[in-house]
Amino acid sequence: GENVEQHPSTLSVQEGDSAVIKCTYSDSASNYFPWYKQELGKGPQLIIDIRSNVGEKKDQRIAVTLNKTAKHFSLHITETQPEDSAVYFCAASSSGGGADGLTFGKGTHLIIQP
Amino acid sequence: DAGVIQSPRHEVTEMGQEVTLRCKPISGHDYLFWYRQTMMRGLELLIYFNNNVPIDDSGMPEDRFSAKMPNASFSTLKIQPSEPRDSAVYFCASSGGIGYTFGSGTRLTVV
Repeated sequence: GENVEQHPSTLSVQEGDSAVIKCTYSDSASNYFPWYKQELGKGPQLIIDIRSNVGEKKDQRIAVTLNKTAKHFSLHITETQPEDSAVYFCAASSSGGGADGLTFGKGTHLIIQP
Repeated sequence: DAGVIQSPRHEVTEMGQEVTLRCKPISGHDYLFWYRQTMMRGLELLIYFNNNVPIDDSGMPEDRFSAKMPNASFSTLKIQPSEPRDSAVYFCASSGGIGYTFGSGTRLTVV
């Protein structure tokens, strides 16, 4: 089955700086890569996703890049703000969406220092 | 839309007791997933349904765990008998085919 590795487990950055979280996956059939943000006491919330036919996708301050050859994808957050502090999860799926179970990474606790 | 609704939010039970977790998916979503979250193992898929039919239950840890979806608007995850190692946050998520929407979870503590 699919295996998703995520690094780092904890990331502390100064407010206003950029943050990068990296993930690798094992199944070459995976074609859908979402990122979720989980705040304390809440369920994970989808923030951005990318499909295997696209190399990069941006949405305001967040962007995701995908390297299919190397089987890795990354989340980039620019101009970080205190409300960006949360746990971020990457995931992978071979169904192109929600049609089967996503395999999640272990999560990255992002801390924004004021 | 109220989103995915889970109940209860918190459950504390004694070892050996039966526990039932409940989920109401988003109307119109035909996929429903149950996940378990722990510090050690992260988010693990337990089982998922498509059109109320269980498709993959390979993540269900033991026969003590069972899940049902009697109709499109309701699902349950049952643990009988419960054990301390079942303590975790259990999430339900639903999907219409692209992306998931998670509920707020049920924090289960088995003492």
